[in-house]
Amino acid sequence: QKEVEQNSGPLSVPEGAIASLNCTYSDRGSQSFFWYRQYSGKSPELIMFIYSNGDKEDGRFTAQLNKASQYVSLLIRDSQPSDSATYLCAVSGGYQKVTFGTGTKLQVIP
Amino acid sequence: ETGVTQTPRHLVMGMTNKKSLKCEQHLGHNAMYWYKQSAKKPLELMFVYSLEERVENNSVPSRFSPECPNSSHLFLHLHTLQPEDSALYLCASSQGSTGGSSPLHFGNGTRLTVT
Repeated sequence: QKEVEQNSGPLSVPEGAIASLNCTYSDRGSQSFFWYRQYSGKSPELIMFIYSNGDKEDGRFTAQLNKASQYVSLLIRDSQPSDSATYLCAVSGGYQKVTFGTGTKLQVIP
Repeated sequence: ETGVTQTPRHLVMGMTNKKSLKCEQHLGHNAMYWYKQSAKKPLELMFVYSLEERVENNSVPSRFSPECPNSSHLFLHLHTLQPEDSALYLCASSQGSTGGSSPLHFGNGTRLTVT
């Protein structure tokens, strides 16, 4: 049984549009939620983290968390071709144990 | 150097070889990790060290042997690997604390091919 689920994509959006990436998780005790971006052939880099229900905004990125629905999402406003990458959702259910989803591939079309 | 540094970047080894992967972090973090990334699979946690003590071993085969001599250095010793062990091996560090997790900072990874 998968613990963190993401649609593998690819998700294609036109340049300038909003990209919406979604993630569900199975462990109700999860406390910390992360979004990482991974370019092809590169290692993951942190985009956002969120610990509390609601929205958290950082520039063009907004992370949304709904613990009751066990759902976390990432919105990318004004999408750019440079945002084309695989986005990994990660969830922590306890002390330093972080579980990753398989990632959603995003393609921003110029 | 800054961040998390891994060497080598690429490694090709035979099934009977012994090799080691090295990771060094310059962030002052107190926890270090080894992850395995295979195609179309989620990142798999292999080992976690916190304050140089191993706190997690996710049922990894004994042909993988970690070593953490201090909070800045982490090794993964490899011996008698199988072709299915070919993958990207990622080292990460974080400022660990009880209850919940802080973000991981990844190295550039070692692309391992077992022939």
